[in-house]
Amino acid sequence: DAKTTQPNSMESNEEEPVHLPCNHSTISGTDYIHWYRQLPSQGPEYVIHGLTSNVNNRMASLAIAEDRKSSTLILHRATLRDAAVYYCILRTWDTGRRALTFGSGTRLQVQP
Amino acid sequence: EPEVTQTPSHQVTQMGQEVILRCVPISNHLYFYWYRQILGQKVEFLVSFYNNEISEKSEIFDDQFSVERPDGSNFTLKIRSTKLEDSAMYFCASSGAGTNTGANVLTFGAGSRLTVL
Repeated sequence: DAKTTQPNSMESNEEEPVHLPCNHSTISGTDYIHWYRQLPSQGPEYVIHGLTSNVNNRMASLAIAEDRKSSTLILHRATLRDAAVYYCILRTWDTGRRALTFGSGTRLQVQP
Repeated sequence: EPEVTQTPSHQVTQMGQEVILRCVPISNHLYFYWYRQILGQKVEFLVSFYNNEISEKSEIFDDQFSVERPDGSNFTLKIRSTKLEDSAMYFCASSGAGTNTGANVLTFGAGSRLTVL
């Protein structure tokens, strides 16, 4: 899987929007952008994924740059429960390799 | 919402003992995975399993490790002779068998904490 770069940590205040950036300058045309998060003492949890267009689901939004070299995970109103490590991962289509490769991610702290 | 369940939640064992960690994947999923996370470190891939055989494995997954799907519901990770450095959280995951691996989503269990003394 191609490499992604994320800030080590970010802070937010409760009920404010959070924008978590991810750079993936070597992304290929068939790479999907996935986001997972890991809450304290829990297993990783799927958040959202996309290919070219922006995506929304009940948890978050994913904004993908036009050149696809970067993306932003948007939590519209952070809650204390959103404090977690967020991982941006590229998944290549149809390589037969289905395992995810986790980097260090961004540790999000949410202040009350 | 369907979930992956893991047992035990915590196991303490003596060095050199065999350990079996158990997982019940989501019922209609066909790909199964084990990951581990040493305290304070990254989540590391160990092995994936499909159609009753290993499809991928990492360098960590050496001869001390084995996986099995003994029946239609369980997926197990066996560590034959545990070492101190095997102390970690072990996560099981499963995913569907869609042809587009890029869009493939993994569902993880809550983990089994293994402590080797």
